[in-house]
Amino acid sequence: SQQGEEDPQALSIQEGENATMNCSYKTSINNLQWYRQNSGRGLVHLILIRSNEREKHSGRLRVTLDTSKKSSSLLITASRAADTASYFCATDTGRRALTFGSGTRLQVQP
Amino acid sequence: EAGVAQSPRYKIIEKRQSVAFWCNPISGHATLYWYQQILGQGPKLLIQFQNNGVVDDSQLPKDRFSAERLKGVDSTLKIQPAKLEDSAVYLCASSSAPRGRASYEQYFGPGTRLTVT
Repeated sequence: SQQGEEDPQALSIQEGENATMNCSYKTSINNLQWYRQNSGRGLVHLILIRSNEREKHSGRLRVTLDTSKKSSSLLITASRAADTASYFCATDTGRRALTFGSGTRLQVQP
Repeated sequence: EAGVAQSPRYKIIEKRQSVAFWCNPISGHATLYWYQQILGQGPKLLIQFQNNGVVDDSQLPKDRFSAERLKGVDSTLKIQPAKLEDSAVYLCASSSAPRGRASYEQYFGPGTRLTVT
């Protein structure tokens, strides 16, 4: 079963707008990672946030983590057409490997 | 730095046939993963190697799937015989994580899209 579930499943915005996607998970985590997947390609790591961190920034990306609510959010500011992709959260629960959610499909209209 | 290489990129086979996928991880990465990604879903781990040893194969359908990582570098994933529900993208990833810990980012290859007819 999926540990993380992203919301919304799909999101369509205009270029320049901000995009927010959320991830909820079920069990305690060591860290949470966000990945991007362009159509027909492999996944690319975006950012990692540890369980003792609440917020992290990387360029136009901002990730928050609320361990009490078992949720995380990814904010992409000033979106571009090139941001069109699927975004996945992945959790490290202490098992060896990451567990991925089902993803949010983001469409940025030029 | 060269990325994770996978081949073939696409494969179409009939059910009950066999197929093999190849992966070459980033040089020096001890941990290698094979994932199955069904359309519209996130990747699901099939098997994880640490060097040439299996760390986790709990979700690998062992009656039809097999994988090996000889000499702790390249890896192959085989399906024999294939079923219709095996249609998916098979992703290989590698990581520099010591002892297979998940706290490190994973580097993914482009994947192999398998269609079983």
